[in-house]
Amino acid sequence: NFMLTQPHSMSGSPGKTVTISCTRSSGSIASKYVQWYQQRPGSSPTTLIYKDNERPSGVPDRFSASIDKSSNSASLTISGLKAEDEADYYCQSWDYSNVVFGGGTKLTVL
Amino acid sequence: QVQLQESGPGLVKPSQTLSLTCTVSGGSISSGTHYWSWIRQPAGKGLEWIGRISAGGISNYNPSLKSRAIISMDTSDNHFSLKLISVTAADTAVYYCARTLRSEILRWFDPWGQGILVTVSS
Repeated sequence: NFMLTQPHSMSGSPGKTVTISCTRSSGSIASKYVQWYQQRPGSSPTTLIYKDNERPSGVPDRFSASIDKSSNSASLTISGLKAEDEADYYCQSWDYSNVVFGGGTKLTVL
Repeated sequence: QVQLQESGPGLVKPSQTLSLTCTVSGGSISSGTHYWSWIRQPAGKGLEWIGRISAGGISNYNPSLKSRAIISMDTSDNHFSLKLISVTAADTAVYYCARTLRSEILRWFDPWGQGILVTVSS
């Protein structure tokens, strides 16, 4: 099986841009779609990004994502940071019928 | 709009069986286009996929659970269930149910239920 590795924590100031990485340990990052979820304290995860880079309706375009085959990783970029973006962020993919979540990144807005 | 709601005991004794139900509203679990999944999250930790069931009743599980999980469905009541046998304190977590949108290369969880905290303790 494979793992998805995320930085444990990141921080940024309001108005700035942060990028959270998600590196796949084996198998191609492009072989299966990557999703990104936001989880605020005490709440269930909600979808920020699906199918590598698509945003559900209602998700601001400050959130964007991409995959990079050369580094076998996915990235979530949050621009124009707001205090409300302080949350945990998880990437997710799957293979051979097993679903894998990244360990999560705690984003602090300074 | 599909909504999911978990229910079940919040406290289970060690070695016993954890049983949870996810009631789905606003959509039918018999829809062939989706799977229905269970995911858990220990306090302060990350998300762990437990398993899923298809509209046809075929289930698939995370190998890390070593065959302790059983997912079933009741299409007449539009709910699906999780049983986790021989629980230990390590199974203490918030348990979520979620609809799984799927294709050949997609497994996407949306929406999620609100979650239910299950504590394993004597």
